[in-house]
Amino acid sequence: QQQVKQSPQSLIVQKGGISIINCAYENTAFDYFPWYQQFPGKGPALLIAIRPDVSEKKEGRFTISFNKSAKQFSLHIMDSQPGDSATYFCAAKKAAGNKLTFGGGTRVLVKP
Amino acid sequence: GAGVSQSPSNKVTEKGKDVELRCDPISGHTALYWYRQSLGQGLEFLIYFQGNSAPDKSGLPSDRFSAERTGGSVSTLTIQRTQQEDSAVYLCASSLLGTSGRTGNEQFFGPGTRLTVL
Repeated sequence: QQQVKQSPQSLIVQKGGISIINCAYENTAFDYFPWYQQFPGKGPALLIAIRPDVSEKKEGRFTISFNKSAKQFSLHIMDSQPGDSATYFCAAKKAAGNKLTFGGGTRVLVKP
Repeated sequence: GAGVSQSPSNKVTEKGKDVELRCDPISGHTALYWYRQSLGQGLEFLIYFQGNSAPDKSGLPSDRFSAERTGGSVSTLTIQRTQQEDSAVYLCASSLLGTSGRTGNEQFFGPGTRLTVL
């Protein structure tokens, strides 16, 4: 059972465009939703995270939008740059838990 | 400051052999996690250590997998009698705290060990 579903699997965007990645979850016990960025040969790096008491969080060009009633959250990368080309993972963690449950990942390619 | 380090970066072994993978967490981090990243399964949780508490082993796929954490710092993941399906990147992460509190839960990942079982 895939508890966190991520889409699309891959995305191509022009430089300066907006990259949008969506995730949906089923378990209402999740209360922490981070996004990770991973470059080839490297471990995932925390990009930005949100908790369900806010609907949006912005850090630089990266924004998380959170819809608690729909159990969905998304990552928006504004003004996408070639250096943003990487695989992005959404994840979720329960309040009483410790492990992260990851989405399947989205490979983003930003064309110059 | 130093991040999470893992060794070796790559390991090639023959089916049936045992392997040991090492993780050095960020200094001062009390929680340590092992994950596995494979093409078919994505990123999967394996095991979690928090201080002196009993580890959460709920993600270990079989009894061929075990892990220990000595002195609350360095951790070793051991895979006995390796199989080809064990081929994956094994990632270690650490966080300042475990489950308690709204801050300090952020998990920082190491570069991983790529295991290839021939």
